[in-house]
Amino acid sequence: QITLKESGPTLVRPTQTLTLTCTFSGFSLGTSGEAVGWIRQPPGKALEWLALLYWDDDERYSPSLRRRLTITKDTSKRQVVLTMTNMEAEDTATYYCVHRSCGSDCWSRPHFDYWGQGTLVTVSS
Amino acid sequence: QSALTQPASVSGSPGQSITISCTGTSSDVGGYNSVSWYQQYAGNAPKLMIYEVINRPSGVSNRFSGSKSGNTASLTISGLQAEDEADYYCSSYTSNRVWVFGGGTKLTVL
Repeated sequence: QITLKESGPTLVRPTQTLTLTCTFSGFSLGTSGEAVGWIRQPPGKALEWLALLYWDDDERYSPSLRRRLTITKDTSKRQVVLTMTNMEAEDTATYYCVHRSCGSDCWSRPHFDYWGQGTLVTVSS
Repeated sequence: QSALTQPASVSGSPGQSITISCTGTSSDVGGYNSVSWYQQYAGNAPKLMIYEVINRPSGVSNRFSGSKSGNTASLTISGLQAEDEADYYCSSYTSNRVWVFGGGTKLTVL
Protein backbone atom coordinates (compact mmCIF):
# COMPACT_ATOMS: atom_id res chain seq x y z
CA GLN A 1 0.00 0.00 0.00
CA ILE A 2 1.42 3.33 -1.08
CA THR A 3 1.14 6.31 1.23
CA LEU A 4 2.64 9.79 1.12
CA LYS A 5 2.65 12.49 3.77
CA GLU A 6 3.75 16.09 3.53
CA SER A 7 5.44 17.99 6.33
CA GLY A 8 6.82 21.46 6.73
CA PRO A 9 6.01 24.94 8.02
CA THR A 10 2.45 26.21 8.00
CA LEU A 11 3.56 29.86 7.95
CA VAL A 12 6.32 31.39 5.87
CA ARG A 13 7.37 35.03 5.70
CA PRO A 14 7.59 36.82 2.35
CA THR A 15 10.99 36.43 0.63
CA GLN A 16 11.80 33.36 2.73
CA THR A 17 12.51 29.90 1.31
CA LEU A 18 9.95 27.13 1.80
CA THR A 19 11.16 23.60 2.46
CA LEU A 20 8.63 20.78 2.30
CA THR A 21 9.29 17.10 2.93
CA CYS A 22 7.33 14.20 1.51
CA THR A 23 7.76 10.96 3.44
CA PHE A 24 6.44 7.94 1.60
CA SER A 25 6.03 4.19 1.97
CA GLY A 26 5.01 1.27 -0.19
CA PHE A 27 7.60 1.80 -2.92
CA SER A 28 11.22 2.76 -3.37
CA LEU A 29 12.64 5.65 -5.37
CA GLY A 30 15.51 3.34 -6.07
CA THR A 31 13.22 1.25 -8.30
CA SER A 32 13.10 1.90 -12.02
CA GLY A 33 10.01 3.78 -13.13
CA GLU A 34 9.14 5.35 -9.79
CA ALA A 35 8.73 9.08 -9.26
CA VAL A 36 7.50 11.55 -6.64
CA GLY A 37 6.29 15.05 -7.34
CA TRP A 38 4.53 18.11 -5.97
CA ILE A 39 1.28 19.81 -6.91
CA ARG A 40 -0.23 22.85 -5.21
CA GLN A 41 -3.66 24.43 -4.93
CA PRO A 42 -4.28 27.98 -3.74
CA PRO A 43 -7.44 28.35 -1.67
CA GLY A 44 -10.48 28.14 -3.93
CA LYS A 45 -8.35 27.79 -7.04
CA ALA A 46 -7.12 25.13 -9.44
CA LEU A 47 -4.40 22.54 -9.13
CA GLU A 48 -0.95 23.52 -10.38
CA TRP A 49 1.79 21.01 -11.12
CA LEU A 50 5.18 22.05 -9.70
CA ALA A 51 7.87 19.41 -10.00
CA LEU A 52 8.68 15.71 -10.31
CA LEU A 53 11.76 13.65 -9.47
CA TYR A 54 12.42 10.26 -11.05
CA TRP A 55 14.27 7.26 -9.66
CA ASP A 56 17.20 8.06 -11.98
CA ASP A 57 17.50 11.65 -10.65
CA ASP A 58 15.81 13.18 -13.69
CA GLU A 59 14.15 16.39 -12.48
CA ARG A 60 11.15 18.05 -14.11
CA TYR A 61 9.92 21.52 -13.20
CA SER A 62 7.05 23.79 -14.07
CA PRO A 63 8.45 26.20 -16.67
CA SER A 64 6.90 29.20 -14.91
CA LEU A 65 8.43 28.34 -11.51
CA ARG A 66 11.58 26.56 -12.57
CA ARG A 67 13.98 29.22 -11.27
CA ARG A 68 12.50 29.03 -7.77
CA LEU A 69 12.17 25.27 -7.34
CA THR A 70 14.51 22.46 -6.39
CA ILE A 71 13.48 18.86 -5.80
CA THR A 72 15.75 16.30 -4.18
CA LYS A 73 15.49 12.83 -2.69
CA ASP A 74 16.88 10.72 0.09
CA THR A 75 16.22 7.20 -1.10
CA SER A 76 17.20 5.52 2.15
CA LYS A 77 14.89 7.75 4.18
CA ARG A 78 12.10 7.43 1.60
CA GLN A 79 11.81 11.18 1.44
CA VAL A 80 11.55 13.82 -1.27
CA VAL A 81 12.20 17.47 -0.48
CA LEU A 82 10.88 20.48 -2.39
CA THR A 83 12.39 23.92 -1.86
CA MET A 84 10.82 27.09 -3.21
CA THR A 85 12.70 30.35 -2.90
CA ASN A 86 11.47 33.93 -2.57
CA MET A 87 8.01 33.06 -1.29
CA GLU A 88 5.18 35.52 -1.93
CA ALA A 89 1.59 35.82 -0.76
CA GLU A 90 0.48 34.28 -4.07
CA ASP A 91 2.30 31.08 -3.08
CA THR A 92 -0.18 30.49 -0.27
CA ALA A 93 -1.62 27.09 -1.09
CA THR A 94 -2.12 23.50 -0.09
CA TYR A 95 0.90 21.56 -1.30
CA TYR A 96 0.37 17.92 -2.27
CA CYS A 97 2.97 15.20 -2.66
CA VAL A 98 2.13 12.73 -5.44
CA HIS A 99 3.33 9.36 -6.77
CA ARG A 100 3.86 8.34 -10.35
CA SER A 101 4.94 4.96 -11.68
CA CYS A 102 5.79 4.77 -15.36
CA GLY A 103 7.40 1.37 -15.66
CA SER A 104 9.90 1.01 -18.45
CA ASP A 105 8.37 3.70 -20.65
CA CYS A 106 7.88 7.08 -19.06
CA TRP A 107 5.80 8.35 -21.96
CA SER A 108 3.16 5.96 -20.67
CA ARG A 109 1.12 6.10 -17.50
CA PRO A 110 1.58 9.88 -17.04
CA HIS A 111 -0.83 10.19 -14.16
CA PHE A 112 -0.65 10.55 -10.40
CA ASP A 113 -2.19 7.55 -8.72
CA TYR A 114 -1.51 8.35 -5.09
CA TRP A 115 -1.70 11.67 -3.30
CA GLY A 116 -0.76 12.84 0.14
CA GLN A 117 -3.33 14.60 2.29
CA GLY A 118 -1.75 17.97 1.55
CA THR A 119 -0.30 20.64 3.77
CA LEU A 120 -1.48 24.25 3.84
CA VAL A 121 1.30 26.82 3.63
CA THR A 122 0.44 30.45 4.28
CA VAL A 123 2.77 33.24 3.23
CA SER A 124 2.30 36.28 5.39
CA SER A 125 4.32 38.77 7.36
CA GLN B 1 2.54 26.00 -20.82
CA SER B 2 -1.02 27.35 -20.60
CA ALA B 3 -3.65 25.74 -18.43
CA LEU B 4 -6.19 23.48 -20.08
CA THR B 5 -9.67 24.96 -20.52
CA GLN B 6 -12.60 23.50 -18.62
CA PRO B 7 -16.08 24.91 -18.01
CA ALA B 8 -16.28 26.49 -14.60
CA SER B 9 -19.44 24.62 -13.72
CA VAL B 10 -21.84 21.96 -14.93
CA SER B 11 -24.99 20.59 -13.40
CA GLY B 12 -27.40 17.74 -13.83
CA SER B 13 -30.21 15.91 -12.14
CA PRO B 14 -29.89 12.49 -10.56
CA GLY B 15 -29.92 9.77 -13.17
CA GLN B 16 -28.88 12.07 -16.00
CA SER B 17 -25.53 12.12 -17.80
CA ILE B 18 -23.16 15.05 -17.90
CA THR B 19 -19.99 15.72 -19.83
CA ILE B 20 -17.07 17.92 -18.83
CA SER B 21 -14.76 19.09 -21.58
CA CYS B 22 -11.05 19.81 -21.38
CA THR B 23 -9.43 21.68 -24.24
CA GLY B 24 -5.73 21.96 -24.84
CA THR B 25 -3.39 22.00 -27.82
CA SER B 26 -1.56 19.60 -30.06
CA SER B 27 1.37 19.82 -27.62
CA ASP B 28 -0.62 18.29 -24.81
CA VAL B 29 -4.17 16.92 -25.05
CA GLY B 30 -4.13 16.44 -28.80
CA GLY B 31 -0.65 15.06 -29.07
CA TYR B 32 -0.72 12.14 -26.65
CA ASN B 33 -3.10 9.73 -24.94
CA SER B 34 -2.00 11.23 -21.65
CA VAL B 35 -5.11 12.91 -20.25
CA SER B 36 -6.18 12.06 -16.74
CA TRP B 37 -9.14 13.20 -14.64
CA TYR B 38 -9.30 13.81 -10.90
CA GLN B 39 -12.24 14.17 -8.53
CA GLN B 40 -11.89 16.40 -5.50
CA TYR B 41 -14.26 16.83 -2.61
CA ALA B 42 -13.94 20.01 -0.58
CA GLY B 43 -11.11 19.77 1.91
CA ASN B 44 -9.80 16.51 0.46
CA ALA B 45 -6.96 15.50 -1.83
CA PRO B 46 -7.82 14.79 -5.46
CA LYS B 47 -8.55 11.21 -6.51
CA LEU B 48 -7.61 9.69 -9.86
CA MET B 49 -10.74 8.77 -11.83
CA ILE B 50 -9.53 8.31 -15.42
CA TYR B 51 -6.04 7.86 -16.87
CA GLU B 52 -4.65 7.71 -20.38
CA VAL B 53 -7.90 9.19 -21.70
CA ILE B 54 -10.16 6.18 -21.27
CA ASN B 55 -8.91 3.94 -18.46
CA ARG B 56 -10.47 3.61 -15.02
CA PRO B 57 -8.40 2.66 -11.99
CA SER B 58 -9.60 -0.28 -9.98
CA GLY B 59 -12.49 0.70 -7.74
CA VAL B 60 -13.75 3.61 -9.83
CA SER B 61 -17.37 3.25 -10.90
CA ASN B 62 -17.99 2.40 -14.55
CA ARG B 63 -20.39 5.35 -14.60
CA PHE B 64 -17.26 7.40 -15.24
CA SER B 65 -15.83 7.32 -18.74
CA GLY B 66 -13.34 9.32 -20.76
CA SER B 67 -12.83 10.14 -24.40
CA LYS B 68 -10.88 12.45 -26.67
CA SER B 69 -11.34 14.12 -30.02
CA GLY B 70 -8.58 16.28 -31.40
CA ASN B 71 -7.41 18.73 -28.76
CA THR B 72 -10.43 18.19 -26.51
CA ALA B 73 -10.85 15.46 -23.93
CA SER B 74 -14.09 14.74 -22.13
CA LEU B 75 -15.24 13.14 -18.90
CA THR B 76 -18.74 11.70 -18.91
CA ILE B 77 -20.60 10.71 -15.78
CA SER B 78 -23.71 8.66 -16.42
CA GLY B 79 -26.48 7.86 -13.97
CA LEU B 80 -25.59 10.95 -11.98
CA GLN B 81 -25.69 10.50 -8.21
CA ALA B 82 -25.60 12.98 -5.35
CA GLU B 83 -22.18 11.65 -4.33
CA ASP B 84 -20.75 12.76 -7.68
CA GLU B 85 -21.05 16.40 -6.65
CA ALA B 86 -17.43 17.56 -6.49
CA ASP B 87 -14.78 19.45 -8.40
CA TYR B 88 -13.22 17.74 -11.41
CA TYR B 89 -9.81 18.49 -12.92
CA CYS B 90 -8.25 17.30 -16.13
CA SER B 91 -4.52 17.02 -16.60
CA SER B 92 -2.27 16.28 -19.53
CA TYR B 93 1.34 15.31 -20.03
CA THR B 94 3.01 17.60 -22.55
CA SER B 95 5.66 17.58 -25.24
CA ASN B 96 8.02 19.25 -22.75
CA ARG B 97 7.64 16.29 -20.38
CA VAL B 98 5.84 18.39 -17.80
CA TRP B 99 2.19 18.44 -16.76
CA VAL B 100 -0.58 20.96 -17.13
CA PHE B 101 -3.93 21.03 -15.33
CA GLY B 102 -7.28 22.45 -16.24
CA GLY B 103 -8.96 25.20 -14.27
CA GLY B 104 -11.41 22.77 -12.70
CA THR B 105 -15.15 22.21 -13.07
CA LYS B 106 -17.62 22.29 -10.24
CA LEU B 107 -20.31 19.65 -10.70
CA THR B 108 -23.63 20.32 -9.03
CA VAL B 109 -26.22 17.57 -8.73
CA LEU B 110 -29.60 19.28 -8.70
